[in-house]
Amino acid sequence: DAGVIQSPRHEVTEMGQEVTLRCKPISGHDYLFWYRQTMMRGLELLIYFNNNVPIDDSGMPEDRFSAKMPNASFSTLKIQPSEPRDSAVYFCASSLTQGTNTEAFFGQGTRLTVV
Amino acid sequence: GNSVTQMEGPVTLSEEAFLTINCTYTATGYPSLFWYVQYPGEGLQLLLKATKADDKGSNKGFEATYRKETTSFHLEKGSVQVSDSAVYFCALSGWDTGRRALTFGSGTRLQVQP
Repeated sequence: DAGVIQSPRHEVTEMGQEVTLRCKPISGHDYLFWYRQTMMRGLELLIYFNNNVPIDDSGMPEDRFSAKMPNASFSTLKIQPSEPRDSAVYFCASSLTQGTNTEAFFGQGTRLTVV
Repeated sequence: GNSVTQMEGPVTLSEEAFLTINCTYTATGYPSLFWYVQYPGEGLQLLLKATKADDKGSNKGFEATYRKETTSFHLEKGSVQVSDSAVYFCALSGWDTGRRALTFGSGTRLQVQP
């Protein structure tokens, strides 16, 4: 398997523009997670899905952020409008339900810069 | 709620030195515990894990033991190499309480000098 695939790897956009980050989880995995990493706040969970259904979106910082998972092989995280404080590395991860085994596999991340 | 506390870095060691990175946690029930490693410009990779008390996770010379009595999961390696330079994250998952998402510590940067 190719692992979790995220695109783009880097994104530079101007404040106020819409940004869409994409993620393809590992085939067969039933959980998908979106995390944000910054120097100040470390790794923060934004939202996660189980079988394409959002389970917990309490980490989504504002209404400007939205996430969807239209099918088992694709998810998007959208920021509209973007602001400079949204600059961060965004990670997608997936995992498979297997009892106590909750290991998550991470993508390479998308480095977002909002200028 | 769940939380993980790690020792602050950076930790700077000479090659072949002994490594310990402390990690303690707060959680209800019986969480699973993990160490992830992040190399520059990359995503997080699982280093090792333990799913119940007294379990020892090990990989690539790294070890950590799940100590429920002290709520700790300290990472150790007997002899570090320059290639071990990275950021290490301790994490937990409250799978038994329905909280499957990983909760991470703040990360500890390790720098190994030749």
